[in-house]
Amino acid sequence: DGGITQSPKYLFRKEGQNVTLSCEQNLNHDAMYWYRQDPGQGLRLIYYSQIVNDFQKGDIAEGYSVSREKKESFPLTVTSAQKNPTAFYLCASGTGSINEQYFGPGTRLTVT
Amino acid sequence: QKEVEQNSGPLSVPEGAIASLNCTYSDRGSQSFFWYRQYSGKSPELIMSIYSNGDKEDGRFTAQLNKASQYVSLLIRDSQPSDSATYLCAVNRGRETSGSRLTFGEGTQLTVNP
Repeated sequence: DGGITQSPKYLFRKEGQNVTLSCEQNLNHDAMYWYRQDPGQGLRLIYYSQIVNDFQKGDIAEGYSVSREKKESFPLTVTSAQKNPTAFYLCASGTGSINEQYFGPGTRLTVT
Repeated sequence: QKEVEQNSGPLSVPEGAIASLNCTYSDRGSQSFFWYRQYSGKSPELIMSIYSNGDKEDGRFTAQLNKASQYVSLLIRDSQPSDSATYLCAVNRGRETSGSRLTFGEGTQLTVNP
């Protein structure tokens, strides 16, 4: 099956801990994206990568880091510097210049 | 002014009616336009893409684009309770202005009443 997988589905962490969210795709897409969604709000772009070994900050990159060592994988680390990390995190991958994006199932992170 | 604005919800329609969802965008250079459906607690699902002026139909869904008015809409005919979800409008502003990224509206929540 082609698609995007994210793990885990739910994640609980204590304040002050770094946590890494996994995102893998087998759609052969060049571009991958991380979004954050807070209750009742739209999607906000954290980081994106259009090619292996290269990535750009989105609108809310502070407190987050990413890597893109393989085409299929784009993990997101939520660091202790992120002030309000509790949110629904969505990974997407996309194609070409028209930029259709397809989303994984998401990871719901709760930090207490 | 927000880059992508959607009509404020929630929107409630009776089963069998036409639901109309609207979206305006600020960047005239925008090139690609998308509608996503998001059920509560789930991730967004791409349901329609439109790139040129006019209408595009797919089953019960019709997307309409008017670049001169910077307006894109989604019509859902014969609405069903299973269409109850939040609908997100997304715009690709084009590589010159933003690279390969989409800007999303905040979404319109639709409820279809049996």
